[in-house]
Amino acid sequence: KAGVTQTPRYLIKTRGQQVTLSCSPISGHRSVSWYQQTPGQGLQFLFEYFSETQRNKGNFPGRFSGRQFSNSRSEMNVSTLELGDSALYLCASSLTTSGRAFSYEQYFGPGTRLTVT
Amino acid sequence: GENVEQHPSTLSVQEGDSAVIKCTYSDSASNYFPWYKQELGKRPQLIIDIRSNVGEKKDQRIAVTLNKTAKHFSLHITETQPEDSAVYFCAATPPSYGGATNKLIFGTGTLLAVQP
Repeated sequence: KAGVTQTPRYLIKTRGQQVTLSCSPISGHRSVSWYQQTPGQGLQFLFEYFSETQRNKGNFPGRFSGRQFSNSRSEMNVSTLELGDSALYLCASSLTTSGRAFSYEQYFGPGTRLTVT
Repeated sequence: GENVEQHPSTLSVQEGDSAVIKCTYSDSASNYFPWYKQELGKRPQLIIDIRSNVGEKKDQRIAVTLNKTAKHFSLHITETQPEDSAVYFCAATPPSYGGATNKLIFGTGTLLAVQP
């Protein structure tokens, strides 16, 4: 099976602009989570989508949003970019079902390196 | 909310020695604890995980132990090799009282250097 893919891999944007990142999960995986990785803050959870619904959200401002499509592909959007949004954005997919009490293994994509100037 | 502390932040060992990385979590209801290895410029890679109903799990040279009473879990790598050099992250899934969750709270990472 193909792994998790993310596009684009690298992106340079200017402050105030907006950006959309895309994630295609492993075939058959229905859950997609997004994480921000920075040297200072480490890996931080942004949000999780399952069956086109946001199931969990981290502590990020409303400028960060996401969605999931019926084929499980997910996008995240950051509006009004700030310098501090420069980071590696990782998505992870998981084979999961609704209503289970425990988590499934998550597999990460290669990430999108966003630089805000 | 859930918090995960990880120690040490850097670890240098000689090839063939063992390495141990320790993590502490704050929410006693957390139930899933994966470990990820991230090489420079690469994606985090799941190397082993453990669930709250198990005390120990082993996969070849890698093992993870969980002490629910103390809210500690540890990664043990035996017979280290230069290719084990990477940053290792522990993580925990906080309880989600509304159902399943894949949310992970990560530790701050341990840079492991295996000297040949």
